[in-house]
Amino acid sequence: KQEVTQIPAALSVPEGENLVLNCSFTDSAIYNLQWFRQDPGKGLTSLLLIQSSQREQTSGRLNASLDKSSGRSTLYIAASQPGDSATYLCAVRRDNQGGKLIFGQGTELSVKP
Amino acid sequence: GAVVSQHPSWVICKSGTSVKIECRSLDFQATTMFWYRQFPKQSLMLMATSNEGSKATYEQGVEKDKFLINHASLTLSTLTVTSAHPEDSSFYICSVQRGGVREQYFGPGTRLTVT
Repeated sequence: KQEVTQIPAALSVPEGENLVLNCSFTDSAIYNLQWFRQDPGKGLTSLLLIQSSQREQTSGRLNASLDKSSGRSTLYIAASQPGDSATYLCAVRRDNQGGKLIFGQGTELSVKP
Repeated sequence: GAVVSQHPSWVICKSGTSVKIECRSLDFQATTMFWYRQFPKQSLMLMATSNEGSKATYEQGVEKDKFLINHASLTLSTLTVTSAHPEDSSFYICSVQRGGVREQYFGPGTRLTVT
């Protein structure tokens, strides 16, 4: 059974700092991995999607890496801003059928001005 | 712009009544939509997969007679919580899946409070 873990559960950093969020999964047989952002009381915004054959994806100040063999992904946020404050969720997909995503518990990020 | 919409964004109902939540795919036709539930400070848990023109597939532990799903068109899926109880109070989020790389796009969620 696939389990997804995110560490840390909460993180508080001063504005401008670079930071790394971690995601690990127990079954390396995944189809892809997605990172999402969720603001309080809101839905999810997709940030980055990494296919199992890829090692990383970049969008602006965000960079996500994937090491499938070790069951790990990281989300790197450069030059953090108060507007980055949110909960970040990673989710893995087992295969290209169906579509079930298994989510981690999330990392609640607070960027202090 | 938004890819997925949900209506209503929040709803309060009395115990024993039924509530319908709509999920619409705005940008593309979606043969598959998903319904998730999220309790406070917890992650999303998949409830069911909604397939256009066929019966929904429910996850283990989710009562199909209590959570009725109808995917009547390629852009609309509905979730009806029947005979709602306070423990059904939660944040319900739908998602739609785009073909190809199978990326999922999520709706803004519906906050259900059962009194």
